[in-house]
Amino acid sequence: RKEVEQDPGPFNVPEGATVAFNCTYSNSASQSFFWYRQDCRKEPKLLMSVYSSGNEDGRFTAQLNRASQYISLLIRDSKLSDSATYLCVVIFSGYSTLTFGKGTMLLVSP
Amino acid sequence: DAGVIQSPRHEVTEMGQEVTLRCKPISGHNSLFWYRQTMMRGLELLIYFNNNVPIDDSGMPEDRFSAKMPNASFSTLKIQPSEPRDSAVYFCASSLRVRGVGLETGVAKNIQYFGAGTRLSVL
Repeated sequence: RKEVEQDPGPFNVPEGATVAFNCTYSNSASQSFFWYRQDCRKEPKLLMSVYSSGNEDGRFTAQLNRASQYISLLIRDSKLSDSATYLCVVIFSGYSTLTFGKGTMLLVSP
Repeated sequence: DAGVIQSPRHEVTEMGQEVTLRCKPISGHNSLFWYRQTMMRGLELLIYFNNNVPIDDSGMPEDRFSAKMPNASFSTLKIQPSEPRDSAVYFCASSLRVRGVGLETGVAKNIQYFGAGTRLSVL
């Protein structure tokens, strides 16, 4: 079983739409969670951390569901500039290394 | 801050040649990571250093790959001899490693910052 799984997409949405991605992880003792964003031919960059109580940053909302072992990212009012690959990242218990999902591609069209 | 600096940005070489990738981490960071990214396998951790000491090299594909970190501001990843299947984007990342990894409201630990990557093509 893969450690961090994501739907590769692509998710094609019009501007202004709301879109949500899920990511599942295999290790129930996982301790830290992040969403990274990667633009085409660029490096991954931290989008937001995912806190146990859920957190919001502008149009972006991240949620953690420990019981079902998944995290989610909700993007409201999608912009063309949101087009990118969104990487789910998990730090497993006892390690400081990040385990990346393969990413979900989002394409926002006019 | 200049961020993580990698060189070269692009490298094209012939099979059998030695390739050396370079990385300068963010000043003050104590952990450095080398990743490889391909379409098929995604982002894979090759090796990471903590305080210049290699901690986990289990991701290094084979003996052709080696990495060094002679000081806190410089690291190299070497492939000798290179093969076409080594073609990928190689990223270096650095972070300030904090003990007691955990989830705390409003506190994010061990965030990694990536360099722009080296796009390697082995012909």
